[in-house]
Amino acid sequence: DAKTTQPPSMDCAEGRAANLPCNHSTISGNEYVYWYRQIHSQGPQYIIHGLKNNETNEMASLIITEDRKSSTLILPHATLRDTAVYYCIVRASSGTYKYIFGTGTRLKVLA
Amino acid sequence: DTEVTQTPKHLVMGMTNKKSLKCEQHMGHRAMYWYKQKAKKPPELMFVYSYEKLSINESVPSRFSPECPNSSLLNLHLHALQPEDSALYLCASSQFQDRHNQPQHFGDGTRLSIL
Repeated sequence: DAKTTQPPSMDCAEGRAANLPCNHSTISGNEYVYWYRQIHSQGPQYIIHGLKNNETNEMASLIITEDRKSSTLILPHATLRDTAVYYCIVRASSGTYKYIFGTGTRLKVLA
Repeated sequence: DTEVTQTPKHLVMGMTNKKSLKCEQHMGHRAMYWYKQKAKKPPELMFVYSYEKLSINESVPSRFSPECPNSSLLNLHLHALQPEDSALYLCASSQFQDRHNQPQHFGDGTRLSIL
């Protein structure tokens, strides 16, 4: 099953774009990449997911490289409320379809 | 607001007590999940139910006993827990288990402390 690696922490100025990278070099052809965030004392919140095309919704954009070995989550105008741990996840293709969490990136948005 | 509701939000229990955690969703999802999360770590999968049947047990000790009485409800029965079982217990649901294009929706968890 594919695994993900993420930088442990990042800072971003309020109002600027936050670009969170994720490496998933062993991802297989039918595995999606999911992004969640977890604000302290809450459950993980779904943000976005994609297979190979770039995706955008009201929260964020997801850019997946052509070889699918890495992706970047973009928060276009970060606010203080975006301070959270961001998880990049792939889903196991071994028949269980379970989530394989990365260790997460702790994003701190600075005023 | 989350669409997966977990109760109670906090629970303190002794090692000899029996208690239960409850999870409810009304999105018509047929897969439900229990996760355990220790501080500063990602969630770890414990159990998966698909169509009210246990699909995955990640070698969880028998002091944790899951139950899925119907498609909307998931329980986790606790008995004779150890201090190291203190953690945030998260419930999640998805439309189906066995599809790749299926995001899971998480509740806000029950924070469990074992004295």
